[in-house]
Amino acid sequence: DAGITQSPRHKVTETGTPVTLRCHQTENHRYMYWYRQDPGHGLRLIHYSYGVKDTDKGEVSDGYSVSRSKTEDFLLTLESATSSQTSVYFCAISERDSTDTQYFGPGTRLTVL
Amino acid sequence: DQQVKQNSPSLSVQEGRISILNCDYTNSMFDYFLWYKKYPAEGPTFLISISSIKDKNEDGRFTVFLNKSAKHLSLHIVPSQPGDSAVYFCAAKGLGNTDKLIFGTGTRLQVFP
Repeated sequence: DAGITQSPRHKVTETGTPVTLRCHQTENHRYMYWYRQDPGHGLRLIHYSYGVKDTDKGEVSDGYSVSRSKTEDFLLTLESATSSQTSVYFCAISERDSTDTQYFGPGTRLTVL
Repeated sequence: DQQVKQNSPSLSVQEGRISILNCDYTNSMFDYFLWYKKYPAEGPTFLISISSIKDKNEDGRFTVFLNKSAKHLSLHIVPSQPGDSAVYFCAAKGLGNTDKLIFGTGTRLQVFP
């Protein structure tokens, strides 16, 4: 299994609070991604990173920000959580671009009340 | 607008028979297609892929077929096994869009004895 961990695995928070999810990899892969999975929508890309300090927006980036100060860590921040951000969040990594196999972490279930 | 569509949310197949999962896409610029498998409470795992220069790719019990003129791909699993019960996502990547995969909404496959 690819060395990808996500923390926390579960979180319940209230509307308006900031939330940060962490993805940590031990594979030294260049690309890292944040997805959310929702019923009826499949997996949707939020943000991705193609190197340290190099990030770009995905399909559903509004309300989210990311940071990558080290190769191994990719943080996803919800500055002010809303109920629409209740979802399961997956981190993924790939060695080159998305043509390469993407390896996914175990997911974080976030509930915003 | 959903560029990658999996119109069957669920499929039930008897063990030993063939499972056929379908995926349609609308963007003719997509040139690379993948299938991922997801068990509950786990991240998706890569299953098989196909480039647009091919119309078939086989890996053991899994075969992916691509019909570019119909903008359609399918995943065949033969013979189906109970351990294949999972959610299957198809995904696509476009020319000049090297960093982003677009996922379908998923099909839940149940293989019963």
